Amino acid sequence: GEDVEQSLFLSVREGDSSVINCTYTDSSSTYLYWYKQEPGAGLQLLTYIFSNMDMKQDQRLTVLLNKKDKHLSLRIADTQTGDSAIYFCAETDQTGANNLFFGTGTRLTVIP
Amino acid sequence: KAGVTQTPRYLIKTRGQQVTLSCSPISGHRSVSWYQQTPGQGLQFLFEYFSETQRNKGNFPGRFSGRQFSNSRSEMNVSTLELGDSALYLCATRTANTGELFFGEGSRLTVL
Repeated sequence: GEDVEQSLFLSVREGDSSVINCTYTDSSSTYLYWYKQEPGAGLQLLTYIFSNMDMKQDQRLTVLLNKKDKHLSLRIADTQTGDSAIYFCAETDQTGANNLFFGTGTRLTVIP
Repeated sequence: KAGVTQTPRYLIKTRGQQVTLSCSPISGHRSVSWYQQTPGQGLQFLFEYFSETQRNKGNFPGRFSGRQFSNSRSEMNVSTLELGDSALYLCATRTANTGELFFGEGSRLTVL
């Protein structure tokens, strides 16, 4: 079955760049996603990348995809305290129904 | 337009009771998915409904059930509650089987 792994915690200083990493198993996933969850809230889609792309940039966010290694990363430039949250990597599941299979989430703490 | 609305936001039940959670999707969204989020297991897919039919189901026991009404609103029910059912239950909706998933803020269930 699918397995999506992320490190649990990351701390960075305000203004630095954050890099959150994710490894996944299902090479047939069409899209890979990054979601953000703030305390007491649901999940918010940050960005996604199509599987035939290597990189996608969206303002402060850069997604890198290495299909050979099944490795996905999210870089946040100029990290702000408002970026403190849990970040989830997700791939579509193997049923082809496009349901999402989530990683464990990485808790990003931004130190002022 | 209004987002995904989940009710109730918080509830406390005791073991053996049953609970019903409600999700009102964004207008025009016909697909409703339910996810369970716990600290130990992370985010796990429960089931998805589309046009009043269960389209996909995750690996949960039969105590977990759901339904969808003609207006696309969905309910999920958990019977014979166990302590391990304590979790944040998230509803996510989208227009069809592709496209961005929009999440509600969740219903936090505590089982005592």
